[in-house]
Amino acid sequence: GESVGLHLPTLSVQEGDNSIINCAYSNSASDYFIWYKQESGKGPQFIIDIRSNMDKRQGQRVTVLLNKTVKHLSLQIAATQPGDSAVYFCAETLNRDDKIIFGKGTRLHILP
Amino acid sequence: DTGVSQDPRHKITKRGQNVTFRCDPISEHNRLYWYRQTLGQGPEFLTYFQNEAQLEKSRLLSDRFSAERPKGSFSTLEIQRTEQGDSAMYLCASSSLWQETQYFGPGTRLLVL
Repeated sequence: GESVGLHLPTLSVQEGDNSIINCAYSNSASDYFIWYKQESGKGPQFIIDIRSNMDKRQGQRVTVLLNKTVKHLSLQIAATQPGDSAVYFCAETLNRDDKIIFGKGTRLHILP
Repeated sequence: DTGVSQDPRHKITKRGQNVTFRCDPISEHNRLYWYRQTLGQGPEFLTYFQNEAQLEKSRLLSDRFSAERPKGSFSTLEIQRTEQGDSAMYLCASSSLWQETQYFGPGTRLLVL
C-alpha cells in the first residue's frame, strides 16, 4: 500500500551527539521525499527534501540519505540541540506537487 | 509573517454543529492542500486545489466536508453536522509552481463534544 513507516516511535539522544532517524517507505514509484519536524501544537516544518535520482543531500546540520534498493530514508542531525526536540516525519510523494503521504513519526528526546 | 496562516487556531463545538476553517496560503502560491492529523499520527491528505480548481479529494472527505477556494487565494474547509470522530488538527499547506515544496500552516485544532 501507499504508506511510509518509521522504525522507532521514540529516540533519545544526548545533547551534542548526532541523531539518526530512520524511515522505510513502501512505494517504489515515489519520486520525492521530505523530512518534516513538528513541535507540539504546531504545523509540520520543512527540514530537507531529496529526489529519487539522488542518494544524499545536505543542509545546515542535517543530511538526508536515500537508499532506493532497500527503500530506506534517513535523517541525520549533527550536534543535536535542545531545540531539535520534536516529532520527525518522513514523507513521500509520487510527484513533487502531489499529495504528501506521511509516516507515523519519530519523537526525538534530547537528554542533557 | 508571510507564511501560511489558519483561522481559528482552536475550535470547540458540539456534535451536530457546522464549523468552517480558513486558510491563507503564502502569497502567490497557486497550490493549496488540506490535511487532517489525529493524535499520534502523521497528517493525512484531504483535498488539493490548483488556483480555484479542486483537483483531488481523498476518500476521507465524506459528503459532510466541503472545501472551496473561490478566487484562487484563501480557502475554506467546512464540516457539516460534526461528529466526535472529526476531532483532529486540520492543516493547510501551500506550494508554488517553481518551488513545489509544501509549507504548512499552524493548523486548526477541532474538538467536537
